[in-house]
Amino acid sequence: DIQMTQSPSSLSASVGDRVTITCRASQTISNYLNWYHQKPGRAPKLLLFAASSLQGGVPSRFSGSGSGTDFTLTISGLQPEDSATYYCQQFYTAPLTFGGGTKVEIK
Amino acid sequence: QVQLQQSGPGLLKPSQTLSLTCAISGDSVSSNSAAWNWIRQSPSRGLEWLGRTYYRSEWHSDYATSVKSRIIINPDTSRNQFSLQLNSVTPEDTAVYYCVRDMNGFRDWGQGTLVTVSS
Repeated sequence: DIQMTQSPSSLSASVGDRVTITCRASQTISNYLNWYHQKPGRAPKLLLFAASSLQGGVPSRFSGSGSGTDFTLTISGLQPEDSATYYCQQFYTAPLTFGGGTKVEIK
Repeated sequence: QVQLQQSGPGLLKPSQTLSLTCAISGDSVSSNSAAWNWIRQSPSRGLEWLGRTYYRSEWHSDYATSVKSRIIINPDTSRNQFSLQLNSVTPEDTAVYYCVRDMNGFRDWGQGTLVTVSS
């Protein structure tokens, strides 16, 4: 199985800050990576598909990059509503796997 | 607008079989472009993909290694739904279970079912 490792596991940042979350795959997955965020009591929501394709309705302050084994999710100008847990997920091959999550808190 | 409606019991005893159903509206379980998944979430295991079924000229299924020996995901074309069957449950299977449509990412989620396994 492909293991997905996210870092950090949690972070605290101020409104307006630039925040970066990384995700590393245990083997190459090309760009077969999605990003989600999840708020308490809700299902995860898809933010980016195939590493960098922003989904409809998702603010442009979210961006993604990377290919191979190393990926990055960036929030440019953190907003209060971005407080959530963020997950990466590979779809290169089954079984599909998620990272362990990064909890983003607002200072 | 795709909607997924889950149904099934929320309380099981160890060794019993977990059975959940996901009714689809706004798409077809026989779609040639979507896949139909079950994902669970617990504090101890995080988000865990369990498996999927999908149709590409014929039916396919894939399962997570951790549950491969005791899981079945079946489509039901007559009712436009799909189901999860997980045998021989233990307290480790306690989680919120989601049915999810994969269309270039996990886009559409059911409401979630809290399944508790306890004697």
